[in-house]
Amino acid sequence: RKEVEQDPGPFNVPEGATVAFNCTYSNSASQSFFWYRQDCRKEPKLLMSVYSSGNEDGRFTAQLNRASQYISLLIRDSKLSDSATYLCVVNFYGGATNKLIFGTGTLLAVQP
Amino acid sequence: DAGVTQSPTHLIKTRGQQVTLRCSPKSGHDTVSWYQQALGQGPQFIFQYYEEEERQRGNFPDRFSGHQFPNYSSELNVNALLLGDSALYLCASSSGTGGNQPQHFGDGTRLSIL
Repeated sequence: RKEVEQDPGPFNVPEGATVAFNCTYSNSASQSFFWYRQDCRKEPKLLMSVYSSGNEDGRFTAQLNRASQYISLLIRDSKLSDSATYLCVVNFYGGATNKLIFGTGTLLAVQP
Repeated sequence: DAGVTQSPTHLIKTRGQQVTLRCSPKSGHDTVSWYQQALGQGPQFIFQYYEEEERQRGNFPDRFSGHQFPNYSSELNVNALLLGDSALYLCASSSGTGGNQPQHFGDGTRLSIL
C-alpha cells in the first residue's frame, strides 16, 4: 500500500464548478499535511497547509480527519487557471527531519 | 529575494556516466532536500541535508550521494547512471528541519539518460 494515496483523476470540470479531491495516508504518526499544486513541467508550489480544524483560503478549503487518516481539498467556482496537478503531501515527522511524502497527484482540467 | 535555484535546467547523459546537480536554497533557508520525480508520479524523497550532514535518506541506492556546503548550497551526485534515472530532480529548501516548515521548490533539473 502506498504511504499517500490520491484519487487517480483526471477531473474534467466546467468553469464555475465545485470540485473535491481526496487523499488518504497510512502512517498515523504523520504530523503535517499540505496541498501542493504543480503545473505541467513546472515545480510543485505550496498551495496551502492543512490544519486539524480545517482551513480556508479564498476559494480553497482543506480538511483533515486524523481518525480516518484522510485529507481533502475543495475548490469552489473553478477557474481555467486552476487547471494543474494537485499533490497531497504528508510529513512523517520523526526526530529532526522534514521529509515530505507525496501522492501521485490528481490532474484537474477546467473547461471553458 | 531569490528563490530556490537549480542548475543545470536540462541535462542529457548516457548510461554509466556520472552527473552532478546543483541547488542554492532560498535566502534565509538552511535545509535542503532532494526529490526525484518520474513522469506521471509524485516527487520521491532522496535525502535531506542540514548543517552539512545528511539527516535522512529515502529508498535510493548508494549511487545517489550529496553534499551541503557552508553557504547551505547543495549538490546531488549520481554515479553509474541507469536509464531509470531519467527524471525531474527537484531541490527544496526550508528553514530548519521542523516538520511543520513548508518546503519551497526550485524549477528542477530534467535529466535524460540515453
